Parts: sequence; structure tokens; C-alpha cells
Amino acid sequence: EIVLTQSPGTLSLSPGERATLSCRASQSVTSSYLAWYQQKPGRAPRLLIYGATSRATGIPDRFSGSGSGTDFTLTISRLEPEDFAVYYCQQYGSSPQTFGQGTKVEIK
Amino acid sequence: EVHLVESGGGLVQPGRSLRLSCTASGFILGDYAMTWFRQAPGKGLEWLGFIRSRASGGTAEYAASVKGRFAILRDDSKSIAYLQMSSLKTEDTAVYYCARGSGSPFYWGQGTLVTVSS
Repeated sequence: EIVLTQSPGTLSLSPGERATLSCRASQSVTSSYLAWYQQKPGRAPRLLIYGATSRATGIPDRFSGSGSGTDFTLTISRLEPEDFAVYYCQQYGSSPQTFGQGTKVEIK
Repeated sequence: EVHLVESGGGLVQPGRSLRLSCTASGFILGDYAMTWFRQAPGKGLEWLGFIRSRASGGTAEYAASVKGRFAILRDDSKSIAYLQMSSLKTEDTAVYYCARGSGSPFYWGQGTLVTVSS
């Protein structure tokens, strides 16, 4: 099973700042099958990025994904008030699919 | 418009069974794999498994934590996917989500809460 470790656990930033979230895999993620989700309290996860770098439909271009192999990054170029949430990475290249433990982006 | 609605959650005693339904609309369920996830209170997301479309064999794969206790089924004629849960444990308490597809789903249901407690 591939273990995904997200860092930091919590990111305290102000609106307008840049957020950089990390997801490290215990072994190489097949074909960069790595996704990022945003989740707000009481809501289902929202797909942001798939295939490590592709934005899902309707996702603003301030969200970008990068990386390959075992190291992946989600960058939010300028935080908007609605971006404060929990973010999860997921690998879906190997069974079982696994998620990171999440990074909470909170308002500083 | 694509919609997924989970139902069937509630309070259930340990050791009992429960079946969750995921009713799909806005697309042809039979054309897609369907996946189930869950999220324990205050915790992260967990993949439970998925069922392939009939065209891809209709077989299912499961996480080790639920294999042998949970089964994912589908009735394409009714546009419903199911999660049949048996021998429930207190640690199965979670919000259960269905989603369309087997990789990185774009469409998710709103979730249904299952509480396993005596």
C-alpha cells in the first residue's frame, strides 16, 4: 500500500498569499495518478487536480499541481477567502487507492 | 446535470448489516464504474472500493479493511449502486460517499452518515 504523507498539517496564511502544499508518497505513484481535493466542513470533497497537473473542470487557474514519482505539490497562487479549507491528495494508480491525512489551510 | 444521492444511513448496532444506496441521475449509470469512500468523524478520507461497469466485467475491488464484510453491487436498470455492509463495527462509523468513476472522481454524492453503536 502506498502511504501518502502531507505537509504541513496546518498552514496559516492571509488572503492574497501563496500556499504550497506537499504530498510525499512512500513509493512511486504509477503514471502520476495523483489527485488533489478540497473539502469544506459538512461537504463532499471537490476534485481540483488529477493526473498530478491537470485542473478539473471549473477550477480556477490559481490552483496548480506539479510533481512526479514520489513528490507532488499543490500551489494556490493567491488565496481567496473561499480557499480556506482542508486539502487532500490521493493516489489512484495502485490498489488500494490511498489518501494523505490532509492539510488544513486556515486564515492567519 | 449529474446527481448522486446516497441514502440508507442511520444508527445500527454492532454486528448488524446495512445497505446504502447511491441513486444516480443525469447520466447512464451503466456506462461508469462507481466508487465508495468514507470519512470517520473528524478524520480523513478512506477509499472502500469500486465496481466496474458491466462492459468492463462488472467486478469489484475492495480495501483490506472491508474486504469480506462489504460488497459493492449495482442495478443499472434502476440507476442505483449499493454498498452492502455486514458485521458492522463501531469503527465503521462514518459519512459514506459514492462517486462516479474509479480514479479521481469529479462527481460525488452529499454523503450519508452511518453510526454503529449499541
